[in-house]
Amino acid sequence: EDQVTQSPEALRLQEGESSSLNCSYTVSGLRGLFWYRQDPGKGPEFLFTLYSAGEEKEKERLKATLTKKESFLHITAPKPEDSATYLCAVYNTDKLIFGTGTRLQVFP
Amino acid sequence: GAGVSQSPSNKVTEKGKDVELRCDPISGHTALYWYRQSLGQGLEFLIYFQGNSAPDKSGLPSDRFSAERTGGSVSTLTIQRTQQEDSAVYLCASSFIAEPGNTIYFGEGSWLTVV
Repeated sequence: EDQVTQSPEALRLQEGESSSLNCSYTVSGLRGLFWYRQDPGKGPEFLFTLYSAGEEKEKERLKATLTKKESFLHITAPKPEDSATYLCAVYNTDKLIFGTGTRLQVFP
Repeated sequence: GAGVSQSPSNKVTEKGKDVELRCDPISGHTALYWYRQSLGQGLEFLIYFQGNSAPDKSGLPSDRFSAERTGGSVSTLTIQRTQQEDSAVYLCASSFIAEPGNTIYFGEGSWLTVV
């Protein structure tokens, strides 16, 4: 059964303190790994899709990387506006299977 | 439209009543998905449509839940005889087609509270 596990559940960072979020997955044939950002009371906002081990994508202070078993979302010098829940999902045949997310809080 | 549109944004209903939630996907998107997100939980898949057909409805929790899509566009999720455990955010998403390589975009959700 396809499964996605995210860690940590919650992360508190000081502004400028870089860190990484982890997404471990088990899937029979990866057909895409997605990262989304979700603000309170809002729908998930698409960030990245990765398809093969070794692939990397960047957007502002965020960089997503992928191995055969996990993905990392690296946050460099975060700002308070980066505070949100970050969701990881794998593409299963025809739909996304989500992890439970990492709630990130960045303090000034 | 510019994005996935859902209505109502908020709904409070009494236990036992039926509710309908509407989703208008991005124009041109043939795939449409429904997910449920309970407080503090991840997104739970309910059903998806490719065109007007629902190839995968495996996530519908019970026969009180049903969904339809007409004209390959708007979809309605219906919950009959609502229960308190149905309280959640119901999220709709769409993509150009239900195949890898196609980004799935979400709406803002319909917040359902059953009292």
